[in-house]
Amino acid sequence: AQSVTQLDSHVSVSEGTPVLLRCNYSSSYSPSLFWYVQHPNKGLQLLLKYTSAATLVKGINGFEAEFKKSETSFHLTKPSAHMSDAAEYFCVVTGTSGTYKYIFGTGTRLKVLA
Amino acid sequence: SAVISQKPSRDICQRGTSLTIQCQVDSQVTMMFWYRQQPGQSLTLIATANQGSEATYESGFVIDKFPISRPNLTFSTLTVSNMSPEDSSIYLCSVDIASTQETQYFGPGTRLLVL
Repeated sequence: AQSVTQLDSHVSVSEGTPVLLRCNYSSSYSPSLFWYVQHPNKGLQLLLKYTSAATLVKGINGFEAEFKKSETSFHLTKPSAHMSDAAEYFCVVTGTSGTYKYIFGTGTRLKVLA
Repeated sequence: SAVISQKPSRDICQRGTSLTIQCQVDSQVTMMFWYRQQPGQSLTLIATANQGSEATYESGFVIDKFPISRPNLTFSTLTVSNMSPEDSSIYLCSVDIASTQETQYFGPGTRLLVL
């Protein structure tokens, strides 16, 4: 069965420093992987997705993620954090092939310190 | 992408009553999904709603409690029936536009508080 683990429930960084949000997945086939962001009192916004093309995926707002099959990881990074990046981030893996169902990680709350 | 709206955006309800949440999309989509996000938690899929067929419910969710309608390719409703305080959550709909390779786009959510 497919699953996804977000290794940190909370991450704090200083403004201008790099961001690393970790995600590991388990899948019996080649999955699609996504990162979504949820700002307070907002819906979910797609940051980026991996769908078996290039392993380094660039998203919006300077975020990127690298798919590493050998490590079953899909970590989200950003070179320099902005105050506006403070939000909840969800790593998502697709479920059983062909169903298009999402399996969500438990989320990582990113705090950006001035 | 798609523009998705939900009504109401928030509501406060009394236990034992029911609330119907509407989800409207600005384009025709085959697959729509309903999720629940309990306070401080991640998202859990309630059901998949495809036009022209009965909704498919996930384990732990039943039609009597969460009836869903999907009358056309741009609209769906989720009803939360006989509510209790445990139903206090954010309810989100999402759509899968087939041409975007499994990507789901989410509505802004409906924040429900049951007293």
